[in-house]
Amino acid sequence: NFMLTQPHSVSESPGKTVTISCTRSSGSIASNYVQWYQQRPGSAPTTVIYEDNQRPSGVPDRFSGSIDSSSNSASLTISGLKTEDEADYYCQSYDSSVNWVFGGGTKLTVL
Amino acid sequence: EVQLVESGGGLVQPGGSLRLSCAASGFTFSSYWMSWVRQAPGKGLEWVANIKQDGSEKYYVDSVKGRFTISRDNAKNSLYLQMNSLRAEDTAVYYCASITIFGVVPLGVDVWGQGTTVTVSS
Repeated sequence: NFMLTQPHSVSESPGKTVTISCTRSSGSIASNYVQWYQQRPGSAPTTVIYEDNQRPSGVPDRFSGSIDSSSNSASLTISGLKTEDEADYYCQSYDSSVNWVFGGGTKLTVL
Repeated sequence: EVQLVESGGGLVQPGGSLRLSCAASGFTFSSYWMSWVRQAPGKGLEWVANIKQDGSEKYYVDSVKGRFTISRDNAKNSLYLQMNSLRAEDTAVYYCASITIFGVVPLGVDVWGQGTTVTVSS
């Protein structure tokens, strides 16, 4: 099986843009779709990106997803940062046996 | 409005059993793969199990195989997780979730419930 590695934490100022990476340890990042979830403190997670770069209805277009085969990683980019974006973010994908794998999570601080 | 409401969590001794339930509403439950995902205190998300629309396919994380059983009752719009031989490391918030699929592949979570807390301790 593979692992998804995320930075433990990132921080940025309101109004700026931040990118959170998610690196796949083995196998191609492009071979299986990546999803991203947001979890605000004390709340259940919500889905912000599915199928690498698709936004569910209601998710603002400040959130975008991409994959980079050269670094074998997926990225979540949040532009125009707001204090309400402060949360933990998790990437997730699946293997050939349809087992799911989550990244360890990244704590985003909006200072 | 899509709603997933978990119940059945609580305090149980090591080696004990617990059955979690998830009541679904606001969507055609029988058309969706469903999942359980857990989160230990202060830790990240961990996938537990998935089940196909008709219950014919079930998948589990290795750490719960042989101990946990995912099931569903489409007539009652309900998802279940039977947990046996519980261990301290099973202590977590357990989330019920509907799944986004691509073709026949369950990709990830579409909608999350609010979670129910399971504590395994003597």
